[in-house]
Amino acid sequence: NAGVTQTPKFQVLKTGQSMTLQCAQDMNHEYMSWYRQDPGMGLRLIHYSVGAGITDQGEVPNGYNVSRSTTEDFPLRLLSAAPSQTSVYFCASRPLDRFGNYGYTFGSGTRLTVV
Amino acid sequence: GENVEQHPSTLSVQEGDSAVIKCTYSDSASNYFPWYKQELGKRPQLIIDIRSNVGEKKDQRIAVTLNKTAKHFSLHITETQPEDSAVYFCAEGRIYTGTASKLTFGTGTRLQVTL
Repeated sequence: NAGVTQTPKFQVLKTGQSMTLQCAQDMNHEYMSWYRQDPGMGLRLIHYSVGAGITDQGEVPNGYNVSRSTTEDFPLRLLSAAPSQTSVYFCASRPLDRFGNYGYTFGSGTRLTVV
Repeated sequence: GENVEQHPSTLSVQEGDSAVIKCTYSDSASNYFPWYKQELGKRPQLIIDIRSNVGEKKDQRIAVTLNKTAKHFSLHITETQPEDSAVYFCAEGRIYTGTASKLTFGTGTRLQVTL
């Protein structure tokens, strides 16, 4: 049971490049989400999904795309990287509540720098 | 939309003293209030949570209190230890049995426990 696995751990992109941040969980969690963490701004929600085939926008979705073709995977795509997207990205998951378990499990994060 | 204000942004206490972090939320429909701890370079981890039908919850040295009327909730850490040094995030969301909801996070409090 690996929990939530994010790859890569570090990435440097040039402005305008595209890339995909990977997130996979092996806990059969229905709910998955992507957050970005910037100094002094906490964790801001980018996109989230409540199950395969269902996604929705969070607080800061511009410049990012997601898809959810399986329960396990929730990749985050940067369409055309900009310096403002330099951040630490966290993927998190949790099960739809059935027994009072609401806690998120976070991945270890991806530190992205756009130059 | 949802908004969470968290104070203070930094907090320094001596070992053995108590620490209190406060959050204020705006969405009266919110009914779930977790707290996460993030050590330097690590992922956020859930340390305690509370639902709106409970006014206080304790787990050893940590406790959370909720005032629904005033729309604020607080994290209390007693007998602080150096390993309590970390960034703490509050969050709020809506939880209903069988569903999931997004969480909105506060901007974080950096707690430093000095010897």
